[in-house]
Amino acid sequence: AQKITQTQPGMFVQEKEAVTLDCTYDTSDPSYGLFWYKQPSSGEMIFLIYQGSYDQQNATEGRYSLNFQKARKSANLVISASQLGDSAMYFCAMRELSSGSARQLTFGSGTQLTVLP
Amino acid sequence: DVKVTQSSRYLVKRTGEKVFLECVQDMDHENMFWYRQDPGLGLRLIYFSYDVKMKEKGDIPEGYSVSREKKERFSLILESASTNQTSMYLCASSLPGVRGNEQFFGPGTRLTVL
Repeated sequence: AQKITQTQPGMFVQEKEAVTLDCTYDTSDPSYGLFWYKQPSSGEMIFLIYQGSYDQQNATEGRYSLNFQKARKSANLVISASQLGDSAMYFCAMRELSSGSARQLTFGSGTQLTVLP
Repeated sequence: DVKVTQSSRYLVKRTGEKVFLECVQDMDHENMFWYRQDPGLGLRLIYFSYDVKMKEKGDIPEGYSVSREKKERFSLILESASTNQTSMYLCASSLPGVRGNEQFFGPGTRLTVL
């Protein structure tokens, strides 16, 4: 079964608008971490934001925030005031902390975001 | 800043060749990882290592092996390359306990097997 699901293969947003990229996850581990990475066309993976399952507040990093809804098992990325440089592939990932594979990240299939001028 | 480097950005090999992909990190990280990235599939873990000479299989280890003789270097080996191993290969490293074990990635190697 898919552990990380990103249902939007592609998204468009107007420059300066906000955009939400969806991510749902599946785990029975009570302790886990959720990550978002950005991959521009150059190929490198850039860490954006992290949310721990026991964190009380939603994570924020500059223009990025994570809308964490634990009961719904969703961890959507919100980008405010989109910029042309935000055009990239975005990956959601999860690490299950209690399992034997606690060092591994499981990635979703990604969402290609295009910011329009 | 953490630096993860990979030996080649682009590589073209022939079916049956032995292929070495090298990855080096300069931050004394314990954990290192090899992923392959294919369109629509995201990143899939091939192998990872949590210490020198230690390795564990990821989700898709078939057709690959790895070597970690020094802490900073993690090599991915394709013993006999096949066309279905044409892909983007990404190396990553992480330090336990830092921001949820955030992984730092190299720039990737785009491998084409003809």
